[in-house]
Amino acid sequence: LAKTTQPISMDSYEGQEVNITCSHNNIATNDYITWYQQFPSQGPRFIIQGYKTKVTNEVASLFIPADRKSSTLSLPRVSLSDTAVYYCPLYNQGGKLIFGQGTELSVKP
Amino acid sequence: DADVTQTPRNRITKTGKRIMLECSQTKGHDRMYWYRQDPGLGLRLIYYSFDVKDINKGEISDGYSVSRQAQAKFSLSLESAIPNQTALYFCATSEGRVLSYNEQFFGPGTRLTVL
Repeated sequence: LAKTTQPISMDSYEGQEVNITCSHNNIATNDYITWYQQFPSQGPRFIIQGYKTKVTNEVASLFIPADRKSSTLSLPRVSLSDTAVYYCPLYNQGGKLIFGQGTELSVKP
Repeated sequence: DADVTQTPRNRITKTGKRIMLECSQTKGHDRMYWYRQDPGLGLRLIYYSFDVKDINKGEISDGYSVSRQAQAKFSLSLESAIPNQTALYFCATSEGRVLSYNEQFFGPGTRLTVL
C-alpha cells in the first residue's frame, strides 16, 4: 500500500477552520482515502472517507484533487475538544489500512 | 457496553514470558485486526483475519501469533516477550463488504510493558 505523509503538528485557535493536508503520491487506483482521529490513550475513530472530489459529513469535509495524490481534511470552527492526532490511512480492496505518522493538532483558547 | 473490548487494559511482564492479549467484539463483524502503536508513531498492522478460518500476516508479524477462536474473538500472543515489544496494542473490527469501504472500529487498547 502507498505511504502517506502529513505535517507532524499544527496549532490552531478555537473557532478557526483547520485544514490538514496528506500526501499520497503512490496511491493505487482502487485505494480509498480515509481519515481517523485519535485521542490520547484511545483507539482511532473514523472521521470521513472518499475516493475523489469532495465529501462532507456532519463533522468534516474532505477535498481530493483530480490526480488523487493528496487530500485535505477540513475541520470547520474547531474547539478545544478537537485537539487530537489525525491520520490519513489509505484503504484498498484487500481491506487493510496503512497508517502514517499522523498530525498532532493542538487547539488553543 | 463497548462494542470492541480488550483485556487486559494494562500489563507488565518480564522478558521471556508468554503473554496473551484478548479481543472480543459484539458488532457481528467478520474481519478483525491487531495493531501496535509506539510513542509518536502511527499504528502498524501485526495480523488480520477476514473470517474464522482466515489468518494473515501484517507488516510486523515476527514475534507474534494469533488465534481466531470464534467470529467474535481474536487473540494475540507473544510467545517470548522482549522489551522492544513494549507498546500500545489495538484490536479493530470491520465488516467485509466487497468493493466497498469498510470502516474499522477500534478497541480501547492494551498498554504492554516488557521489562
